[in-house]
Amino acid sequence: GEDVEQSLFLSVREGDSSVINCTYTDSSSTYLYWYKQEPGAGLQLLTYIFSNMDMKQDQRLTVLLNKKDKHLSLRIADTQTGDSAIYFCAESMKGQNFVFGPGTRLSVLP
Amino acid sequence: DTAVSQTPKYLVTQMGNDKSIKCEQNLGHDTMYWYKQDSKKFLKIMFSYNNKELIINETVPNRFSPKSPDKAHLNLHINSLELGDSAVYFCASSQKAYEQYFGPGTRLTVT
Repeated sequence: GEDVEQSLFLSVREGDSSVINCTYTDSSSTYLYWYKQEPGAGLQLLTYIFSNMDMKQDQRLTVLLNKKDKHLSLRIADTQTGDSAIYFCAESMKGQNFVFGPGTRLSVLP
Repeated sequence: DTAVSQTPKYLVTQMGNDKSIKCEQNLGHDTMYWYKQDSKKFLKIMFSYNNKELIINETVPNRFSPKSPDKAHLNLHINSLELGDSAVYFCASSQKAYEQYFGPGTRLTVT
């Protein structure tokens, strides 16, 4: 079945860039997503990318997709303490069968 | 205005009981979902409903049953609760295939 993998932890210093990586197995995925979950809260959609795109930028967020290697990354520029959260990578086939990764816990150190 | 709301936020109950969690969305979305997030934060889809039809039913125990009285609601009924059912349950909805909106979650504790 489909699988999405992420490293579980990442620590960065405030002001540095964070890069969260994700790999997936389903080559028929049409949408790939990044969600943010703050403590005690639900998931918030940060950004998404269609499988026919290589890159998407939205303010401090840059998503890179390497479809050949089935690798997705999220870069957060100028990371702030408010960015501390769990970041989930997810993929779906045309909005169906969402599969989430285990989440990467980002800690931002002052 | 809350887009996706769930009640209750916390639910503590004993093994063997039957309980329900309610979900409502005011976004006019056609598809609603239920997810289970365990203590390690792993998130698994349980059900999704599109126009009141079940379109995904993952391998969850049949003690769990989704019920959708209308397009804006998808409730989750759980019979004969077990310790392993303790988790946070999230409702979500979507209209466009690439956007899902999540509710705040319901933390279920079975004692």
